[in-house]
Amino acid sequence: AQKVTQAQTEISVVEKEDVTLDCVYETRDTTYYLFWYKQPPSGELVFLIRRNSFDEQNEISGRYSWNFQKSTSSFNFTITASQVVDSAVYFCALSEGAGNTDKLIFGTGTRLQVFP
Amino acid sequence: SAVISQKPSRDICQRGTSLTIQCQVDSQVTMMFWYRQQPGQSLTLIATANQGSEATYESGFVIDKFPISRPNLTFSTLTVSNMSPEDSSIYLCSVIRGLGGEKLFFGSGTQLSVL
Repeated sequence: AQKVTQAQTEISVVEKEDVTLDCVYETRDTTYYLFWYKQPPSGELVFLIRRNSFDEQNEISGRYSWNFQKSTSSFNFTITASQVVDSAVYFCALSEGAGNTDKLIFGTGTRLQVFP
Repeated sequence: SAVISQKPSRDICQRGTSLTIQCQVDSQVTMMFWYRQQPGQSLTLIATANQGSEATYESGFVIDKFPISRPNLTFSTLTVSNMSPEDSSIYLCSVIRGLGGEKLFFGSGTQLSVL
């Protein structure tokens, strides 16, 4: 069965530290998509990235980077030089099948607190 | 990005009553999704609402408890019926956007507390 595990419940860092949020998934499908969402204290969910199962290239977007490794079923998220505004709950999610993202399986989230 | 408006943003309700949550999207979408986020928990899909057909419910959710309407391509409602304290959650609607349908955008959510 599909499952997303975010083993880190809460992480605290000091501003400018780098931090990595772990995500491990389980799926029987060969075609699937992985996502990261940010949920700041205001509550809305902000889309960060979608990666399909055939694209194992790492991605960098500003201070954010993602490391996708199919061999270990992981899709880890690194924030470089963290800032207070990065404080939020981060969710990793999985959807199965080709070409759609209609049903996401979410992990339990990692609460990141960045202190000044 | 998609602009998704949800109302109400929060409410406190009495046990046994019902609350209808509205979700308005800034453009037409085929599918709208309703998620629940219980306190300190992750998000769970309740149902998928297609315009012109009955909603499709996930395991553990039933139409009598969570009736959904989808009268047009920009609007949907979710009703939480006969509420109990266990229904206290954040309820979020979401839609797919992007060239390949790759992005799932969420509304700001409705925080429901049942006394």
